[in-house]
Amino acid sequence: SQQGEEDPQALSIQEGENATMNCSYKTSINNLQWYRQNSGRGLVHLILIRSNEREKHSGRLRVTLDTSKKSSSLLITASRAADTASYFCATVPSGGYQKVTFGIGTKLQVIP
Amino acid sequence: EAGVAQSPRYKIIEKRQSVAFWCNPISGHATLYWYQQILGQGPKLLIQFQNNGVVDDSQLPKDRFSAERLKGVDSTLKIQPAKLEDSAVYLCASSLVGFRSPLHFGNGTRLTVT
Repeated sequence: SQQGEEDPQALSIQEGENATMNCSYKTSINNLQWYRQNSGRGLVHLILIRSNEREKHSGRLRVTLDTSKKSSSLLITASRAADTASYFCATVPSGGYQKVTFGIGTKLQVIP
Repeated sequence: EAGVAQSPRYKIIEKRQSVAFWCNPISGHATLYWYQQILGQGPKLLIQFQNNGVVDDSQLPKDRFSAERLKGVDSTLKIQPAKLEDSAVYLCASSLVGFRSPLHFGNGTRLTVT
């Protein structure tokens, strides 16, 4: 079963615009992670945010976490053609066995 | 640091044949994962090792899939016999301290079963 659900499933924007992707989950988490996957490649870790954190930044990436709404968002500012990829959120539940479970992803296309 | 190495990169087999995939994680990473990613979907965890012990294999189809991690380093994933629905990309990942640290993925093995 996949805990995280990304929204939208597909997103097409012009280069220079901002891209926002959302992830909703069902159960309490220990942490939430965002990954990028370029076509035909493995996943690359972007940001890990813990349940007691609300916001994290890394370069042009900003991740927010709202545990009351059980949701997270990934913002990519000033997008580039090279940002074209699929983006996945992965959740690690709190308590019990902490398995890293991926959502179905958002496919982002940045048009030059 | 060297990344996670996987081989082969591509494999085409007929149904009912067997196949094996190999993974060499990042040096020092205790946790190793095998994920199956079907086209258009997110990765699904098949098995997770902590050193050379199995932590979770609840979604591994044990009648046809097997995996081992010898000496807590390299790992192999085997399918015997393969079915058409096994066509997918098989991703290996490793992490330093289980779920508390990011996963580092290899480029995967794309399996096509005909």
